[in-house]
Amino acid sequence: EADIYQTPRYLVIGTGKKITLECSQTMGHDKMYWYQQDPGMELHLIHYSYGVNSTEKGDLSSESTVSRIRTEHFPLTLESARPSHTSQYLCASRASSGTEQYFGPGTRLTVT
Amino acid sequence: KNQVEQSPQSLIILEGKNCTLQCNYTVSPFSNLRWYKQDTGRGPVSLTIMTFSENTKSNGRYTATLDADTKQSSLHITASQLSDSASYICVVSDRGSTLGRLYFGRGTQLTVWP
Repeated sequence: EADIYQTPRYLVIGTGKKITLECSQTMGHDKMYWYQQDPGMELHLIHYSYGVNSTEKGDLSSESTVSRIRTEHFPLTLESARPSHTSQYLCASRASSGTEQYFGPGTRLTVT
Repeated sequence: KNQVEQSPQSLIILEGKNCTLQCNYTVSPFSNLRWYKQDTGRGPVSLTIMTFSENTKSNGRYTATLDADTKQSSLHITASQLSDSASYICVVSDRGSTLGRLYFGRGTQLTVWP
């Protein structure tokens, strides 16, 4: 079991609210990733980071933003949640010298 | 365009039976291919990873094969158990970026009935 954690696991929130999804890993991995996954669909990369103070947008356009102030922490923020943001959000990390990406358990977000 | 296609989309088998899941990819340049198991509401967990030179890899009751020439892979599950019910995702990595870009299939949803 990988040491990567996400909170909350489930979140139901109203339209217009600001939310932050937390992701942390204790493996000292430099590379971290955020994916979005809808039911029955493939994972889509929305953000990634090579290390502290490095963040980039992924393949899928997302209104969310991320920050990487500490190696172990990679939070994702939505300034104003909308129903179209309803999805599962998965965080992952990888060592620079490795090939394996380790995934967190995910956050299931529902915006009403 | 780099793509990963999986079949079947869903599969139902009886406990104790074997099954084989398929994956075709067009990712180039190829680095490695992984099979992940994703339980409902959880993150994917790696089952096997194969590089270009490997054509088979086992992990307990899971055996993955890779044909890099035809760009096909399969995941064979023997003596299925109820706990094997999950989505199985084929993931291919390319060699072209330091990011370690992964291309994901949509998964095969396996249901094992008692």
